[in-house]
Formats: sequence, C-alpha cells, structure tokens
Amino acid sequence: QVQLQESGPGLVKPSETLSLTCAVSGYSISSGDYWGWFRQPPGKGLEWIGSIYYGGRAYYNPTLKSRVTMSLDTSNNQLSLRLTSVTAADTAVYYCAKDRNGNFDFWGQGTLVTVSS
Amino acid sequence: AIQLTQSPSSLSASVGDRVTITCRASQGVSSALAWFQQKPGKAPKLLIYDASSLETGVPRRFSGSGSGTDFTLTISSLQPEDFATYYCQQFNNFPLTFGGGTKVEIK
Repeated sequence: QVQLQESGPGLVKPSETLSLTCAVSGYSISSGDYWGWFRQPPGKGLEWIGSIYYGGRAYYNPTLKSRVTMSLDTSNNQLSLRLTSVTAADTAVYYCAKDRNGNFDFWGQGTLVTVSS
Repeated sequence: AIQLTQSPSSLSASVGDRVTITCRASQGVSSALAWFQQKPGKAPKLLIYDASSLETGVPRRFSGSGSGTDFTLTISSLQPEDFATYYCQQFNNFPLTFGGGTKVEIK
C-alpha cells in the first residue's frame, strides 16, 4: 500500500523559509511518476503548488514560482518542498500526493503550517 | 490559467437523493479532469479519473461524465458517508487548477 507522510515545522516566522518533507513508503519515487505538492488555507479550497518528476524536472504554480523549490531524495524515498519569504497568506495545510498519469491517487494526511511571529 | 467553475457551491440533500455537481472549464481540457471528495480534516480522495473512470474501491453510485469544457459528477443515491466537499481538478495544462468546491450537506 502506498503511503505518504508530510513532516516539518508547524510554525514558521514571517519572511523565513518553510521546509517540508514527504516520506513515501510502499512505492519507489524513482518509478517514473510525477509527485505533487498542494495546500489548503483554513476553510478554503485546494491550490496546486507544483509537481516534480523523478528525473528532477519540476513545474511550479506561477503564483509561487519565484519562492518555491521542490526536490527528490531517492536514497531516502522522499520529496521536499521549500517556500521562501513566507507571509500569513502561506498559512495552510500542505499535502503531498502521487501523480498517476495526471490523476493524484495517493495523498498524505497533510500538515498544518502556520506563519506567525 | 484554466479556471474551473463548480456549481452549486453548496447543496442540501437527503439520503437516497440523486445529486449532480457540475464543473465548467474556461477552456477545453479534453478528458483531463478528476473529481475528489474531501471530508473535514482529511486529505482529498480521488473518486473519478480521466473525467469518467471510477477509481478502484469507490462505490458505483459515483459517476463522472463530460469532456472539453463541461463535466458532471453524479451520486445516484446519496449515502450518509457522502456528505463532504467535492472538487474537480484539471490536469490538461499547467498550472493545475481546482474548482472552488461543492459542499454537500444533510437536508
């Protein structure tokens, strides 16, 4: 069974960098799929942050592109997300998910990140 | 970016009702559309992929249809566990985008 688990600080100060990891079990991230990151502000809808292919090619949401970096750690079978210069507007539940031909079939349970001083 | 407009944004229905949710794209996305169910505090769950294919393990009362710009998610007979928020999402073009969601509540 494929499982994804996000982890990282639950509180980040404004202007600092948000860093999250997503540990994948039951499936190799080197298997040739895309992997995505999403977020959902409290009480609001879903937003795609970006997707990364096992070969390292990444696509980012233009609204976040200047601040986002995604990477894959194949040795530890995990994904990473970095978002710089955060503000309160970046407060959200962050999810990672596995992409099956465009359809995101397995998701992590999500991790809440609050941006506050 | 392709905009997805879901309607209605919320609805009240009773157990056993037939429920239809629509998703309209601002430009054609072929069949590159998925439907998700999300319950409070939980991650989205894939229900329908490629516009009309039922994801493994999802009850057959869920169905999807459409292509191009107009899509529909139908629940043939609403069950208590179906009260949730539903989202459509297109993957025909980057950036990937979601509809605003439809909250299905108990009448």
